[in-house]
Amino acid sequence: GQQLNQSPQSMFIQEGEDVSMNCTSSSIFNTWLWYKQEPGEGPVLLIALYKAGELTSNGRLTAQFGITRKDSFLNISASIPSDVGIYFCAGQSLSNDYKLSFGAGTTVTVRA
Amino acid sequence: EAQVTQNPRYLITVTGKKLTVTCSQNMNHEYMSWYRQDPGLGLRQIYYSMNVEVTDKGDVPEGYKVSRKEKRNFPLILESPSPNQTSLYFCASSSVSGKKLFFGSGTQLSVL
Repeated sequence: GQQLNQSPQSMFIQEGEDVSMNCTSSSIFNTWLWYKQEPGEGPVLLIALYKAGELTSNGRLTAQFGITRKDSFLNISASIPSDVGIYFCAGQSLSNDYKLSFGAGTTVTVRA
Repeated sequence: EAQVTQNPRYLITVTGKKLTVTCSQNMNHEYMSWYRQDPGLGLRQIYYSMNVEVTDKGDVPEGYKVSRKEKRNFPLILESPSPNQTSLYFCASSSVSGKKLFFGSGTQLSVL
């Protein structure tokens, strides 16, 4: 499958902070998706992006489809404790419309 | 309620003892897929199905089998489990080419 590099691998948040994470691919994607996984549950779709340059928001979450079509970014504004979890990027390449490749995930934890 | 149901949630077995993890969705989705989640590796696709009787390999299909005899069900079969198949498994479904995936709650498998 396609190689997706997601960073950072983990991060600590303080309530009220803005946080960012990103995902890069070695090849061009036609779709970028961002999922969140909470403990004991399966991933849940947060945002879907379909066009280069597209900027889409879902509440305090904003994601962008990179102009090069090889990257995507997710921002969380004004963090709250329930933002903890694992965030995954996922993408579909032009060569295979049926296979979704996932990044390794960014683990978000509340800073004590 | 729209959902993907996996059973069992937890399973401990021994090497070589055949097992099946069931997956059922009630959303009339054409596309279904199995993933395994391992620390640091994210979600890797095992097999997927675009419709009844249509299945294809994902990125890590070795040691697994699937079948799609009915639209709602997509069981994962391990004919002879080995310890390296110890993992967290997720079933997912989608109505549109595997993009907006709905995930089950996961099956934690331990092979001793």
